[in-house]
Amino acid sequence: IVLTQSPGTLSLSLGARATLSCRASQSVSDNYLAWYQQKPGQAPRLLIYGASNRATGIPDRFSGRGSGTDFTLTISRLEPEDFAVYYCHQYGPSHTFGQGTRLEVK
Amino acid sequence: QVTLKESGPVVVKPTETLTLTCTVSGFSLDNDRMGVSWIRQPPGKALEWLAHIFSHGTKFYSTSLKSRLTISKDTSKSQVVLTMTNVGPVDAGTYFCARAGESIWLKKFFEFDYWGQGMLVTVSS
Repeated sequence: IVLTQSPGTLSLSLGARATLSCRASQSVSDNYLAWYQQKPGQAPRLLIYGASNRATGIPDRFSGRGSGTDFTLTISRLEPEDFAVYYCHQYGPSHTFGQGTRLEVK
Repeated sequence: QVTLKESGPVVVKPTETLTLTCTVSGFSLDNDRMGVSWIRQPPGKALEWLAHIFSHGTKFYSTSLKSRLTISKDTSKSQVVLTMTNVGPVDAGTYFCARAGESIWLKKFFEFDYWGQGMLVTVSS
């Protein structure tokens, strides 16, 4: 399964709402889709699993939704620490990652 | 506290074999229904899953790299080892090990909840 993330880069202001998209080339079984945040020089951090479940310690401004081939990560009010690269990851059949969306300060 | 830490050579020559070790703590490699994967990231590029070893020992590999990869574990040392043969310039990048929950019944492993800090590998003669 190929995952296509859009947009490639998203420029938004502090306090804005961010909506990141991840589209799969085939249906992701059982909504086996996760989202990660990665900052420069760091490992990815798990945000969302099972398409809509927040990982331990993740603030409730992060939310995920979707099913089948279309998934969305929403950050309701951007904080300074949210500017990073975000990856989606499907673990239905095998494991693949999207190419990432860079969220930058406008 | 769950931790994973990668170790291995910083530089490897083209055509040589790369051996990376992931040392884990805070969970057991053989009876916590948790397995370990290796994932890599070329500089400035996306993540690529490489291989996974289940708690009971079953191994899965990336289809495109299967012929070059071997994953194994030493439970007594809490280590997971990845070897990659015949490395080339395209294999340069940061290599991460990461933990994933698993279902032995479904023969599946899931999202990666803990990651190592990563190890940058350069391929150069």
